[in-house]
Amino acid sequence: DTGVSQDPRHKITKRGQNVTFRCDPISEHNRLYWYRQTLGQGPEFLTYFQNEAQLEKSRLLSDRFSAERPKGSFSTLEIQRTEQGDSAMYLCASSLEAGEPQHFGDGTRLSIL
Amino acid sequence: AQTVTQSQPEMSVQEAETVTLSCTYDTSESDYYLFWYKQPPSRQMILVIRQEAYKQQNATENRFSVNFQKAAKSFSLKISDSQLGDAAMYFCAYRSAIGGSNYQLIWGAGTKLIIKP
Repeated sequence: DTGVSQDPRHKITKRGQNVTFRCDPISEHNRLYWYRQTLGQGPEFLTYFQNEAQLEKSRLLSDRFSAERPKGSFSTLEIQRTEQGDSAMYLCASSLEAGEPQHFGDGTRLSIL
Repeated sequence: AQTVTQSQPEMSVQEAETVTLSCTYDTSESDYYLFWYKQPPSRQMILVIRQEAYKQQNATENRFSVNFQKAAKSFSLKISDSQLGDAAMYFCAYRSAIGGSNYQLIWGAGTKLIIKP
């Protein structure tokens, strides 16, 4: 069990730039979730995939946020035209089925200059 | 909409002692799951324990146990024989058991647990 892997661990960028994060779930897990966590808060749900299908995306924070899981394996989360308020930890999780416990990666910490 | 509240921003306990972290939640659903996750500094979120709402028996995992009071919508975590490695943020989370809605976790704000040597 290699666990959920996220890359990069840290990303520092200037306001207005686009950023993309990658998540590799546990290999047999077909469910994948993205969360955002700001300092001192619990995670906030963003979006959810079952295999390559994005089943819930209404919680994405704005149209600057998008996510893909093209082959039902790894996923990417993109933020376009980053803003100061986007600074946060972005967490990815995966599960075998929707009702099973979610396993988390180490997260990608985004800092906007 | 469901909400989860953790009213203790920070708790401290002496090593080897017992500590209880509080969590309350609000829901109109009758079937759901509750979780406690642990997030050590700069490390990943780890599942500590989970409870199915339809089970009356409180879940236990080694030194970790819960007190689940469904009518009161309360879900506290007891850590016995606290160890230095237990120091972390602890999050309480809720998930619906209804198909089609059971994908997302709803989280509390967390409790920072400090272990005093």
